[in-house]
Amino acid sequence: GAVVSQHPSWVICKSGTSVKIECRSLDFQATTMFWYRQFPKQSLMLMATSNEGSKATYEQGVEKDKFLINHASLTLSTLTVTSAHPEDSSFYICSASGRDNEQFFGPGTRLTVL
Amino acid sequence: AQSVTQLGSHVSVSEGALVLLRCNYSSSVPPYLFWYVQYPNQGLQLLLKYTSAATLVKGINGFEAEFKKSETSFHLTKPSAHMSDAAEYFCAVSDSGWGGGNKLTFGTGTQLKVEL
Repeated sequence: GAVVSQHPSWVICKSGTSVKIECRSLDFQATTMFWYRQFPKQSLMLMATSNEGSKATYEQGVEKDKFLINHASLTLSTLTVTSAHPEDSSFYICSASGRDNEQFFGPGTRLTVL
Repeated sequence: AQSVTQLGSHVSVSEGALVLLRCNYSSSVPPYLFWYVQYPNQGLQLLLKYTSAATLVKGINGFEAEFKKSETSFHLTKPSAHMSDAAEYFCAVSDSGWGGGNKLTFGTGTQLKVEL
């Protein structure tokens, strides 16, 4: 099946700093990418949907100025957590879909904000 | 609006026993339903999906699920559990399409434990 990678797999940062997470589709062109957030022992919550070349669509309650999403190419989307705080610590997962419409999930990024 | 309810946040079975993970959905339109598996610190892997064709869907690793409209259910089963099946399982629903450009709503997950 199609492969989606995320980088980094884990990151620790100080409160107030910004962190960028990359999501790449390695062997297909992803017209749509999704960003999810998962708290320990909980389900995935969709944060935003991004289409290549367009602004991301954020779910209700997600601060678009805090979670900046860029989908500049058909193989790369980035999520930047700006001015991170401890409550932003979570597991962030991206998924990507191409022409066949199936979502393929990345391995996730563990963010810890001290 | 659509939603998914997974009954039982933890299920424990013996190796070789039947696995049954429950999922009930709510959707105002005919749903597309999915089961995903997640191993620790990893992303999600699709086990199977229902897209309005056959109501009994077979997936990978010996899993299958049956869509029952009258019961609004999509329970996941496997006849004989293996130690490698221990993981978190998520049921998800999409109100249109099968999860490509369309949003997925996930259940809260069921942690499957397989004991010797």
